[in-house]
This record gives sequence, C-alpha cells and structure tokens, in this order.
Amino acid sequence: NAGVTQTPKFQVLKTGQSMTLQCAQDMNHEYMSWYRQDPGMGLRLIHYSVGAGITDQGEVPNGYNVSRSTTEDFPLRLLSAAPSQTSVYFCASGQKGGRTEAFFGQGTRLTVV
Amino acid sequence: KNQVEQSPQSLIILEGKNCTLQCNYTVSPFSNLRWYKQDTGRGPVSLTIMTFSENTKSNGRYTATLDADTKQSSLHITASQLSDSASYICVVSARTYGQNFVFGPGTRLSVLP
Repeated sequence: NAGVTQTPKFQVLKTGQSMTLQCAQDMNHEYMSWYRQDPGMGLRLIHYSVGAGITDQGEVPNGYNVSRSTTEDFPLRLLSAAPSQTSVYFCASGQKGGRTEAFFGQGTRLTVV
Repeated sequence: KNQVEQSPQSLIILEGKNCTLQCNYTVSPFSNLRWYKQDTGRGPVSLTIMTFSENTKSNGRYTATLDADTKQSSLHITASQLSDSASYICVVSARTYGQNFVFGPGTRLSVLP
C-alpha cells in the first residue's frame, strides 16, 4: 500500500534555483494539498486541489505554483527558491468531505542556501 | 483569526505513566477536531476525529475529549510506551474550509525508560 508518496526526501537548493516537489497518491482521492512545517509553528496550507484541473491558494501561496493534471499527482513548483522557503513540506490527500480522513506523505526537507 | 494553541510545548514522562495534552482553539465555524501523532522525520498520522456532538473518542491507549462550549480538547495517553515519543498535533477543521485544516504547533512528548 503506497498511500501518499513524496519525492525527493531531502533537497538542497541555491537561492534563485527552481525545482518541483513530487506528490502522488494511489487511493483515488479527490482532495490533495501541500503544507509547510516550520519550527514552533503548525503546518500551514500552501495550495490545494479538489480535483483534476482545479487548484486554489491556501494561507501561504507566494513563491509556489501547483497543477493537477491527473487525480493521482499534485506537484509543487518553487519558481525561484529563497532562504525563507527552507522548511519541511508535506503533501496530503483525502476524500473531499470535511470530516473524512486525511493521509500525509513522509515529507520533503528542503534547504535553500 | 483562526488559531489552535497547545500546551505544554514539551513533556517528559516515564514509561508506564499517564499524561494529558491540552488544546484550545478559536476556529469558527467548527466542523471537527483531530489529533495527529507525528514521529520524527515522518508525516502526521491520525489518532482521532471528533465532530461537534462527540465528547469522547478512544483509539487504544489514546482518549480524546472535546468541549465545544469552551473550545477545548485534551488527549489522554494511558500506560505510556517508548513508542509514544512523538509530537502530538491538534487540528481543527472549519466547515467552510473542507479539508483545509488549522494546525496547532504540537506538543513534543518524550517517554523515558
């Protein structure tokens, strides 16, 4: 059972570089989302999607882009990495309903130098 | 502003002892409250989900309580084990946000032999 798979697990970028964090789920979930986790703070929503072709911004979207061309995949793109984007990123998926279970990936630890 | 606060920030107990973690929230409107366990270097894993009408929910040695009037929740861990060492995160879902959660900062629990 793969669940939610994130790649890579670790990444170091130089300021100004771009990259894509991958997220895939095999549970046919409609809802997918990206969060960042910083020390001493709760996870914060970056972007989310309620289905293929539909995306929307969360609490902290600046500097990130997403797309949802298939139900399974929800990549997160950093356009021009900045040190403030050093964080641990989590992808989550679930059915669309507000009371359903949410499943998280293992996280990607990103360092921008 | 929607917020979730947790106390204590960290806690150290001896194996076999019980402990209680606290969560206060100011999220409106309220849909449900969840407790997650996050092991170091891993994604959060759900322990319980409670809706407005549920006061108590158990999952093995974990028992969560909810007082929707005072907007407080607690997570009680019975007969702690070394594997309980983790961060415990309180998460509140507002009805208008679907699965867009408001996360608390977590309580870091260390269980010592």
